[in-house]
Amino acid sequence: NAGVMQNPRHLVRRRGQEARLRCSPMKGHSHVYWYRQLPEEGLKFMVYLQKENIIDESGMPKERFSAEFPKEGPSILRIQQVVRGDSAAYFCASSPSTSGQSEAFFGQGTRLTVV
Amino acid sequence: SQQGEEDPQALSIQEGENATMNCSYKTSINNLQWYRQNSGRGLVHLILIRSNEREKHSGRLRVTLDTSKKSSSLLITASRAADTASYFCATVAYNTDKLIFGTGTRLQVFP
Repeated sequence: NAGVMQNPRHLVRRRGQEARLRCSPMKGHSHVYWYRQLPEEGLKFMVYLQKENIIDESGMPKERFSAEFPKEGPSILRIQQVVRGDSAAYFCASSPSTSGQSEAFFGQGTRLTVV
Repeated sequence: SQQGEEDPQALSIQEGENATMNCSYKTSINNLQWYRQNSGRGLVHLILIRSNEREKHSGRLRVTLDTSKKSSSLLITASRAADTASYFCATVAYNTDKLIFGTGTRLQVFP
């Protein structure tokens, strides 16, 4: 059973381009969480999704950021018109049920650099 | 904000010594979890302790939870150089399903 797979591991985008980050949860996990981490800081919650539904997006910036978790395929975090301040590590986690019931398993992250 | 605060922010010890990290949080929780992050890598889950539990052990790790003080501690006994990492506590508040992370403790264990 492979762990949480994120790709790409590293992504470089020019200002104004779009960034698409992918997360394949562990087999049997239907709950996905996205976090952002700036250097030397903790993880900031962005969004919580279940299959085809956004459950909590209270940590997502209102503009340029969107997330989806389709019935088939990986979860996608999309950042449109990237700016330098979007440079960070983005981590995805999955769990078989809610965080209130079970631990979350994290991917290795995607490091986004905006130049 | 529910975000946990961890203390100390950084800790340096010699191999063989014990390391204690503390976490405080603000709201009532469903559970509290501890994670480790090696530099530039993903997070590894260490222990989950539920609100009705007071202590859990896993190998050289011991976690305590005091819900009356809204605090938890992580003790690593007989530390090794390989324990060098950042350690984060994360809480799940009642009526939410999201993990909220603390600020982390950077632990350095010298050989």
